[in-house]
Amino acid sequence: SQTIHQWPATLVQPVGSPLSLECTVEGTSNPNLYWYRQAAGRGLQLLFYSIGIDQISSEVPQNLSASRPQDRQFILSSKKLLLSDSGFYLCAWSGYRNTYEQYFGPGTRLTVT
Amino acid sequence: AQKVTQAQTEISVVEKEDVTLDCVYETRDTTYYLFWYKQPPSGELVFLIRRNSFDEQNEISGRYSWNFQKSTSSFNFTITASQVVDSAVYFCALRNGSFQKLVFGTGTRLLVSP
Repeated sequence: SQTIHQWPATLVQPVGSPLSLECTVEGTSNPNLYWYRQAAGRGLQLLFYSIGIDQISSEVPQNLSASRPQDRQFILSSKKLLLSDSGFYLCAWSGYRNTYEQYFGPGTRLTVT
Repeated sequence: AQKVTQAQTEISVVEKEDVTLDCVYETRDTTYYLFWYKQPPSGELVFLIRRNSFDEQNEISGRYSWNFQKSTSSFNFTITASQVVDSAVYFCALRNGSFQKLVFGTGTRLLVSP
């Protein structure tokens, strides 16, 4: 069966510090991968999605970036965090082509102070 | 453009009451997919159901049922005999036939009290 992992689970970082959140998927090959952000009490905002290694699309211009160095690894980064980057970050995967639902990881709660 | 509207921000019910969560969608595509997700307090989104645009048959799974009506562009979710464990935020989402992205509604927070 497929499993998706995210770490860290929680993170408190000062403004201006770098960020690296990692997501890995097990039990499937060539998944589509997604990063979402959920601000407190708000809906989900798609940040990035990837259909393959080094194939990443950005949905929202911001100071975040994403990379996919391996087939089942998706990394969300920032060189300098802003207060507005605080939120709950969710990674998700979906099957290649003909599976439609996305499956989400446990999330990372980021607080920028 | 695609859009999902969940007009109910928060609903409070007492255990054993039935509750319906509304979802209205907009799309120009003839082939699309609709989803419901549950987000418990732990934060992880849990997939509940997918419905294809060409299948309007309603579905029942235990205490959960879904009513898909293309004529009104709605995909409503009913919980029968609600339980405290049903307390969560519920999201409706839409995906068109050819693209992988999901468009989420803003969610409905359901609070079931004993």
